[in-house]
Amino acid sequence: DAGVTQSPTHLIKTRGQQVTLRCSPKSGHDTVSWYQQALGQGPQFIFQYYEEEERQRGNFPDRFSGHQFPNYSSELNVNALLLGDSALYLCASSLRMGELEYFGPGTRLTVT
Amino acid sequence: DAKTTQPPSMDCAEGRAANLPCNHSTISGNEYVYWYRQIHSQGPQYIIHGLKNNETNEMASLIITEDRKSSTLILPHATLRDTAVYYCIVRVATGTASKLTFGTGTRLQVTL
Repeated sequence: DAGVTQSPTHLIKTRGQQVTLRCSPKSGHDTVSWYQQALGQGPQFIFQYYEEEERQRGNFPDRFSGHQFPNYSSELNVNALLLGDSALYLCASSLRMGELEYFGPGTRLTVT
Repeated sequence: DAKTTQPPSMDCAEGRAANLPCNHSTISGNEYVYWYRQIHSQGPQYIIHGLKNNETNEMASLIITEDRKSSTLILPHATLRDTAVYYCIVRVATGTASKLTFGTGTRLQVTL
């Protein structure tokens, strides 16, 4: 049984560019959450998707957007990248909203 | 979600029990205590969670005080592979959107 998978593993972007990160939830899970983890900090909640709609959002600007597909996979898009967007981006999935979340390995984004 | 307080770091000798404390004095009656750990920039790994009774699984035990204002995660026989950052999180577990709010956690160093 595959766990949560994320792609790519690493990527490097330039300031001002746009990036798309992808997440496939654990089998049977329908809810996906995204977190940002800066170096030396704990993960910070970005948003959560369920039934293809954003259900809850953390304190992140509109440059951060997402999408959930009918197969429950999800994308995180970040526009107009800033140096401060450099972080580990984590995806977590759960059986339903409010249930136990399982995390993927993360995507390491470096903005230069 | 209630705020949690954890010591920034702890040491433990291999083979001994590691006892990681967490204070959550503002916890509400419908909030659960969750523990996750993160090993060097991997995705957080779920350990255990509980509401008010003590819980045990194959990884650890969770002891919650009777007033629910604090808890202790116990790793009964710590190994070098248990070296990680441990996060104590309080969260409402319902059918509605509910995020995980991470603090800075406790960095546990297991030594020979």
